[in-house]
Amino acid sequence: NAGVMQNPRHLVRRRGQEARLRCSPVKGHSHVYWYRQLPEEGLKFMVYLQKENIIDESGMPKERFSAEFPKEGPSILRIQQVVRGDSAAYFCASSPRRGKQPDTQYFGPGTRLTVL
Amino acid sequence: GDSVTQMEGPVTLSEEAFLTINCTYTATGYPSLFWYVQYPGEGLQLLLKATKADDKGSNKGFEATYRKETTSFHLEKGSVQVSDSAVYFCALSEGVTGNQFYFGTGTSLTVIP
Repeated sequence: NAGVMQNPRHLVRRRGQEARLRCSPVKGHSHVYWYRQLPEEGLKFMVYLQKENIIDESGMPKERFSAEFPKEGPSILRIQQVVRGDSAAYFCASSPRRGKQPDTQYFGPGTRLTVL
Repeated sequence: GDSVTQMEGPVTLSEEAFLTINCTYTATGYPSLFWYVQYPGEGLQLLLKATKADDKGSNKGFEATYRKETTSFHLEKGSVQVSDSAVYFCALSEGVTGNQFYFGTGTSLTVIP
């Protein structure tokens, strides 16, 4: 079984460009989470999505960042007009989310974004 | 709010030494607790977890016990190997709050031969 897939693994953008990060969850998982890891720091929650719905975006910056998880296809994290401070590793995780108990989250290898 | 505090690194140990990485948490309810490991250039891998008080999670020689009275989930291993060199993250999740994970800042471990 394939795990969480993320692409690209490395992405370089110039200031002002757009970055699109893709995440395909584990087959059968309908819950996706995005985290950001800044250098020398832990992971910070950004957004939690189910198919076609944003459940919790409390960790997402209010401007320039958006996320979606369409009925078909991967989840997309989109960063518009990138700035140097957006340089980080972005991790996607998925879970089956059965019931109300916390599920183990399975992480992808991450996308390392560098803004020049 | 929920949070996790873990021992700062980096930690350097000789092969076969005993490892402890401290982790304490703050939570409003009854969280599940996790340890994840991150090898260089890779994503996080689940190492072990515990879902209720007094549970012990274990995997690959690592252990951690969910201590509600001290709000702790310390990671231990009796004899580390060079291949254990990685960054270790303690995390908690409360399903009621949406299942987001709260991570500690990570502890870098280097094991030297």
